[in-house]
Amino acid sequence: GDSVTQMEGPVTLSEEAFLTINCTYTATGYPSLFWYVQYPGEGLQLLLKATKADDKGSNKGFEATYRKETTSFHLEKGSVQVSDSAVYFCALSDKTGNQFYFGTGTSLTVIP
Amino acid sequence: DGGITQSPKYLFRKEGQNVTLSCEQNLNHDAMYWYRQDPGQGLRLIYYSQIVNDFQKGDIAEGYSVSREKKESFPLTVTSAQKNPTAFYLCASTPTQGAAGELFFGEGSRLTVL
Repeated sequence: GDSVTQMEGPVTLSEEAFLTINCTYTATGYPSLFWYVQYPGEGLQLLLKATKADDKGSNKGFEATYRKETTSFHLEKGSVQVSDSAVYFCALSDKTGNQFYFGTGTSLTVIP
Repeated sequence: DGGITQSPKYLFRKEGQNVTLSCEQNLNHDAMYWYRQDPGQGLRLIYYSQIVNDFQKGDIAEGYSVSREKKESFPLTVTSAQKNPTAFYLCASTPTQGAAGELFFGEGSRLTVL
C-alpha cells in the first residue's frame, strides 16, 4: 500500500544553518505530496505541496521538489530561524485524493 | 474566518467513562477525518467520512465511534472500550472528493484519562 518514510529526528541546528529533511514515498499512480508543520500543542498546518512530478512547492523559505524518479520530496531551507522550531510531517494523498498517509514526523530545534 | 473548530481543547476522563470530542467546520468540505497522535509517532487514522450519513473505519477504529448527521459536524466518541485513550486527537477536512487538495486541521483536543 501507499506509505511515507521520513528522516527520523530529532534534528538540532544552529540559526542560519541549512536544513534538509528527507522524505521518500511509495504509492501507486501519481500522488500529491505535502509538508505539514506542527507547533507545540497545535494542529498541523500546510507548509507546501506539489501535485505532479517535477513541481516545486515553496513557502516561507522552505522548498521541496516532487521527484518521481527517486520517489522523494525532501524539505530544504537555506537558513533556518529559531521560529522554525517545530515538528515537520511529510504526507501524500493517494490517486483518489481521499486517503492521506503521513510520515512519523521530524522534530526540529533551532538554537540561537 | 473559515476553519475547523475542535472542542474541548483539554479533557480529562475517568476510566470507564465515554467522552465525545466535537469537530465543526465551516469550509463546506465534503470529507472529514479523525486522527490520533501519540508522542513521537505520526498520525493514525481513526475514522473518516466522505459524505453525510456515511463513514468508514480507519486503522485504529476499535473503541471509537463517530456520526455524520450534518456536513459541518463530525463528532468522535471515545468509549470505555478504548484501552489506552490518552492522546492528542486531530480533526481534519478536505474540500472535494477526488481532488488533490490538502487536509485542513483543527487545533486538536488533548484527552487525558485519570
